[in-house]
Amino acid sequence: DAGVIQSPRHEVTEMGQEVTLRCKPISGHDYLFWYRQTMMRGLELLIYFNNNVPIDDSGMPEDRFSAKMPNASFSTLKIQPSEPRDSAVYFCASSLALGTLNTEAFFGQGTRLTVV
Amino acid sequence: AQKVTQAQTEISVVEKEDVTLDCVYETRDTTYYLFWYKQPPSGELVFLIRRNSFDEQNEISGRYSWNFQKSTSSFNFTITASQVVDSAVYFCALSVNNQGGKLIFGQGTELSVKP
Repeated sequence: DAGVIQSPRHEVTEMGQEVTLRCKPISGHDYLFWYRQTMMRGLELLIYFNNNVPIDDSGMPEDRFSAKMPNASFSTLKIQPSEPRDSAVYFCASSLALGTLNTEAFFGQGTRLTVV
Repeated sequence: AQKVTQAQTEISVVEKEDVTLDCVYETRDTTYYLFWYKQPPSGELVFLIRRNSFDEQNEISGRYSWNFQKSTSSFNFTITASQVVDSAVYFCALSVNNQGGKLIFGQGTELSVKP
């Protein structure tokens, strides 16, 4: 398997523009996570899905952020409108739950977003 | 609530030294999992180890070893005979049962191994 695939790897956009980040999880994984990494806040969970259904979006900063998972092989994180403070590395991860056992999360390469 | 604390922000050692990275966690759940991830300068997050709360056996993998102690809520990571390639940020993380791979990360420890 190719692992978790994120696109784009780098994105530079102007303040006020819409930004869409994309993620393809590992086939067969039933959990998908979006994390954000900044110097100030470290790695923080934004939202996660189980079987394409959002379970916990309490980490989404504000209404400008939205995430969707229309099917088991694709998810998007959208920021509209973007602001300079949204500049960060955004990671997508996926994992498999085996009954009550958690497996490790596998991370994509991340998308480095710069909002100018 | 769950929390992970990595008190060491930065550590610098000379090659071949042993180094231990500390991790202390908090949770009220009786079933939980602990992880270590490595983030090299290239930026990706690489899984190193997973431990569940019922398995306190220490683990060794090559130059890496992990010490899990429930009594002190610690899950420390030791690199023996460090190498320059070990230079990275290391994250300790916690997940609780029935939440898939949802991780609560510590702030990370930046390890610099100098030749």
